Amino acid sequence: DAMVIQNPRYQVTQFGKPVTLSCSQTLNHNVMYWYQQKSSQAPKLLFHYYDKDFNNEADTPDNFQSRRPNTSFCFLDIRSPGLGDAAMYLCATFLDGSSYNEQFFGPGTRLTVL
Amino acid sequence: AQKVTQAQTEISVVEKEDVTLDCVYETRDTTYYLFWYKQPPSGELVFLIRRNSFDEQNEISGRYSWNFQKSTSSFNFTITASQVVDSAVYFCALSEAGNYGGATNKLIFGTGTLLAVQP
Repeated sequence: DAMVIQNPRYQVTQFGKPVTLSCSQTLNHNVMYWYQQKSSQAPKLLFHYYDKDFNNEADTPDNFQSRRPNTSFCFLDIRSPGLGDAAMYLCATFLDGSSYNEQFFGPGTRLTVL
Repeated sequence: AQKVTQAQTEISVVEKEDVTLDCVYETRDTTYYLFWYKQPPSGELVFLIRRNSFDEQNEISGRYSWNFQKSTSSFNFTITASQVVDSAVYFCALSEAGNYGGATNKLIFGTGTLLAVQP
């Protein structure tokens, strides 16, 4: 029944060591989002894909990249994680033109940077 | 610019008390959507409700109810007879009009309200 899946649920990496977070969906939604949520803060949008078109938020650091090889999968790459990148990373999907206008969230990946 | 304000940072109640979480929003759009999400300690965002800007009817779902008032730009959430399992962070969020059509449809979240229900 899982619709938006994120792997791993917990990720530990070292300062400066590249890390990739994964998101997959079984909903066939054409829009996918990555949010960053730091401790005790609201989720903040990093970027999103509309089909294959990548849309970066203006204040998203260059350290964050994303790939979407197909409709089902989307990856978040952090090229050189810093201590400030420790956060929960949430993936969400949306179907353009749907009547319910709801984003479906995955369970999140909690990233720790040592 | 769009903005969501949740003035209550933390609320603590005793089980069975009623509690209202406040949400005030700002937008220049005439068509928009409002949401409430629950985030338990596990971290997953749980969708609770969506309301579009043209539907000001209040809604009740079990112990949950929502009061949407465009005149005051508020979308408040009330839990009746609170339970320990209601303890979580609750986020109010705003998004632009439904169909993507070039709009980002991104969610603008409030800062959240931490609700602690004591037994």
